[in-house]
This record gives sequence, C-alpha cells and structure tokens, in this order.
Amino acid sequence: NAGVTQTPKFQVLKTGQSMTLQCAQDMNHEYMSWYRQDPGMGLRLIHYSVGAGITDQGEVPNGYNVSRSTTEDFPLRLLSAAPSQTSVYFCASSPGTGRSYGYTFGSGTRLTVV
Amino acid sequence: GQQVMQIPQYQHVQEGEDFTTYCNSSTTLSNIQWYKQRPGGHPVFLIQLVKSGEVKKQKRLTFQFGEAKKNSSLHITATQTTDVGTYFCAAPTGTASKLTFGTGTRLQVTL
Repeated sequence: NAGVTQTPKFQVLKTGQSMTLQCAQDMNHEYMSWYRQDPGMGLRLIHYSVGAGITDQGEVPNGYNVSRSTTEDFPLRLLSAAPSQTSVYFCASSPGTGRSYGYTFGSGTRLTVV
Repeated sequence: GQQVMQIPQYQHVQEGEDFTTYCNSSTTLSNIQWYKQRPGGHPVFLIQLVKSGEVKKQKRLTFQFGEAKKNSSLHITATQTTDVGTYFCAAPTGTASKLTFGTGTRLQVTL
C-alpha cells in the first residue's frame, strides 16, 4: 500500500493563480482531512470529509474548496492564491471506525505564493 | 470552540534525561491521540487513548489519559537523539471526524 499520496511536493504560485493539490489514499479509509501547517502555528484543519459526497469546513476554510467524489481522492482547490496561503499542506486519512481513529498523513505539499 | 493546549512549547534535554509534555482541554474529550513529527517530516500517529485514567506504554514512551478525560500526558524515559521532533496531541472536536491538534511541544535532545 502506498498510504496517502500528495502531489505536488513543491509548488510556487503567483498571487491570484488557482491550483489543485491532489490527495489519494489506497487504504479504503472513510475519513479524510486537509491541514495547513505554518511555523509556530501547529496544524490547522481546513476541510474534512466523512465519506464520498460529504465534506465540511474546518477551522480555516476561507479561500479553499474541496470535493470527495470517490473514497480514494480528496483534492484541495485554491481559488485565488494569496501570500497568506504560503504554508505546508498535509492530507490525512483515517478508518473512521473500529479500534483506532488514528490518521495517516501524506508527506505534504510545500506551497509558496509570491 | 474547543481548544487543546499543550505545554511546554519547547524543551531541550540532554540525552538520557526524561521528558514530559502535557495536553489540556476545557471540555471532556471522547478520546485523545498523540502524534510525532520529525523535523521536515509529516505527523505520524503514535497512539490513541479512550478510557478515563488509561495508561499505555510503547517502549520508553508512557501515555496517560486523565480521570476526567480533559488532560493527557506523554512521558519519555531516558531520551535518545532519535526522540527529537515535535509531539502533538489531538482530539475530536464535536464529531469523531473533525480532529483538532494541540499546539505541539518541540523536543530537542543533545548528547
């Protein structure tokens, strides 16, 4: 199993550009989430999903859209990039039920907006 | 909204010394999870605690969940340089699927 795969690993955008961060998991996990991590700020939840077709907002959703058309994929769209969105983005997935709710994280996408 | 606070923010120890990080919530938690993130890496799930007063051990790591399920701690005995990283606690906020992370404790270990 590849686990949680995020692409790209690095990206530089100009202010106002849009892009999609890809996230795919092959563990048949129901729950998926997107976090951003800024220096000294810990991990902040952007959007999350409990299954295909169901998404909800986290702590910092503004400027981002998500969709969950399949169990495996959970892309994050930046609508109009701003320098404040410069961050490391992590996608994570969890079985959702059972013995453990622990999340498996992808290796991250380091995004710079200039 | 619910906040999960961690202390200390940073700790620097000599190899062989013990280390403890504490996680506190203003509300009762259904469960608490602990993660480790190495410098430049991604968070890795360590353990989940569910029961009031629960204690779990993983080699030199001991995890506790408070009796009131509002606090938790991670204790590392005899730290090693491989323990370097940031330790996060995390707890569901409202629903099991919405996981909120604590602010993290960065551990530095020197010889």
